[in-house]
Amino acid sequence: EAGVAQSPRYKIIEKRQSVAFWCNPISGHATLYWYQQILGQGPKLLIQFQNNGVVDDSQLPKDRFSAERLKGVDSTLKIQPAKLEDSAVYLCASRRVDGARQYFGPGTRLTVL
Amino acid sequence: GDSVTQMEGPVTLSEEAFLTINCTYTATGYPSLFWYVQYPGEGLQLLLKATKADDKGSNKGFEATYRKETTSFHLEKGSVQVSDSAVYFCALRNSGGSNYKLTFGKGTLLTVNP
Repeated sequence: EAGVAQSPRYKIIEKRQSVAFWCNPISGHATLYWYQQILGQGPKLLIQFQNNGVVDDSQLPKDRFSAERLKGVDSTLKIQPAKLEDSAVYLCASRRVDGARQYFGPGTRLTVL
Repeated sequence: GDSVTQMEGPVTLSEEAFLTINCTYTATGYPSLFWYVQYPGEGLQLLLKATKADDKGSNKGFEATYRKETTSFHLEKGSVQVSDSAVYFCALRNSGGSNYKLTFGKGTLLTVNP
């Protein structure tokens, strides 16, 4: 089966600009996660969706980050405006609603200058 | 809250050397424990897991045993290869709730030289 797809793979922007990342989960996976992985640290959960509803967004900096999953399939994560400290790899993961294992995409590496 | 502490890297070994990467955790309840691997330019892949005390997870020659008494889940491999060069993450998933949230350690970079 196809894995989790993410695009773009790399993005370089200047601070105060906006950026958006896209994720397409494995077909049939109702649960979708966005993680932020800062260099030298482990991934940190930003937001979790079940279908098109938010399950957990307690770690999402809502003043600048937003995410949506309008049709319960693919998802977009947006940063507006970006700060230097947002430089990181943004990982998307998905899992079946009746399964526990998360499957990760290759990530989007964001550099904010 | 839940947390995972991993051995600081980087770790550099020669091919066929023995590998240990230490991992300890703090969690309420009875978490499941995982090791993930991230090869250069790729996403996280599940390497092995253990869901209860004294379980041993194993895959590709790697092993880790869930030790509740020492709250540890150390990763070991008897003979590493150059292809094992990657970043290794220890993680836990708490049994509470239904969101299956993963908490990761900071990762340990392993470099294996020929």
